[in-house]
Amino acid sequence: EIVMTQSPATLSVSPGERATLSCGASQSVSTNLAWYQQKPGQAPRLLIYGASTRATGIPARFSGSGSGTEFTLTISSLQSEDFAVYYCQQYNNWPPITFGQGTRLEIK
Amino acid sequence: EVQLVESGGGLVKPGGSLRLSCAASGFTFSSYNMNWVRQAPGKGLEWVSFISRNNGQIHYAESVKGRFTISRDNAKNSLYLQMNSLRAEDTAMYYCARDIAATYWGQGTLVTVSS
Repeated sequence: EIVMTQSPATLSVSPGERATLSCGASQSVSTNLAWYQQKPGQAPRLLIYGASTRATGIPARFSGSGSGTEFTLTISSLQSEDFAVYYCQQYNNWPPITFGQGTRLEIK
Repeated sequence: EVQLVESGGGLVKPGGSLRLSCAASGFTFSSYNMNWVRQAPGKGLEWVSFISRNNGQIHYAESVKGRFTISRDNAKNSLYLQMNSLRAEDTAMYYCARDIAATYWGQGTLVTVSS
């Protein structure tokens, strides 16, 4: 099973600033990596798939990068609606499909 | 508009059974692979099961293998999860999700396993 590790667990950033979230895989997942955003009481929302392709309707301030075992989600200028929990997910070597434990992005 | 609507959750005693349903609309259901993903209260996301569009492939997480059964009825645009021998650790919100990199999710149905 591929273990996904996200860091940091909690990230405090001021609105308008850049946020950088990291996700590591225990073995290569190529670029078969997705990022999700989840707000309280809501289902997850797909942001990025293929490590760097934005899903339909996702603002350009969200960008993904990386391949192999190291990945990054960058939010270039944080808006109030961006404060949420973010999960990475690998779908390269499955089953099982595995998620990271999440990064909580909070307002500083 | 794509919609996924789960139902069938509730309170059940340990060892009991539940059958979850997911009604799909707004897209050609038979053309898409489907998944169940769960989230325990205050915890992260856990993939539970996958079924391919034509039932040719079915996979389960080790934590539910032998107890849960995924199925679909393409004529009824519906996805199901039969859950038997439920345990306290199965308590979670259960989501159906379209595809593996899941663009569409339902709103979830809550399963609580408690005596």
